[in-house]
Amino acid sequence: DVKVTQSSRYLVKRTGEKVFLECVQDMDHENMFWYRQDPGLGLRLIYFSYDVKMKEKGDIPEGYSVSREKKERFSLILESASTNQTSMYLCASSRTTGLEQYFGPGTRLTVT
Amino acid sequence: AQKVTQAQTEISVVEKEDVTLDCVYETRDTTYYLFWYKQPPSGELVFLIRRNSFDEQNEISGRYSWNFQKSTSSFNFTITASQVVDSAVYFCALPPDFSGGYNKLIFGAGTRLAVHP
Repeated sequence: DVKVTQSSRYLVKRTGEKVFLECVQDMDHENMFWYRQDPGLGLRLIYFSYDVKMKEKGDIPEGYSVSREKKERFSLILESASTNQTSMYLCASSRTTGLEQYFGPGTRLTVT
Repeated sequence: AQKVTQAQTEISVVEKEDVTLDCVYETRDTTYYLFWYKQPPSGELVFLIRRNSFDEQNEISGRYSWNFQKSTSSFNFTITASQVVDSAVYFCALPPDFSGGYNKLIFGAGTRLAVHP
């Protein structure tokens, strides 16, 4: 079974803090993704990575950066957290383009 | 452009009823995949099924079945004899077309299913 894990289920941070969200997959997938999910807005892609050290912006990259130093790990960084980044963050991975994505359990981030 | 429409926002049923969740899609591609995901209250998106547009046979997995009809661009999901544990939000999705630029999934808005005892 594919397993995608995320470092925290719940996280509370203060405005201005630097926040790291970690994601690890154990299936040697090429592609990894970060989405955020908000009521009424659905899932929106923040960044994705198709290989180590390779990344591309998604629909809403502003205020975020990512790092993929190893194939199995994809990190999302909030450089200076703001209250409008309070959301559910979902990490996913897929073997190749066009195939199903497997999601982690999600991190519910609250920025106060 | 790719689009997925799940017109049913919420469905409420009593346990053991059958329920069908509708999904209508738009795509410019001639070959494509379609997916269904389940998101229980815990929040994790669980992959349920992938369907290749070449294959129009119905798929059955236990109490779950999927009806894919290319002629009407629909990929409907039926739960037979629903159970309380089926309560979740269900999403239909497809990949971007070849001009989509990157590999994100296009999700429908989701259908919230509530199964009551």
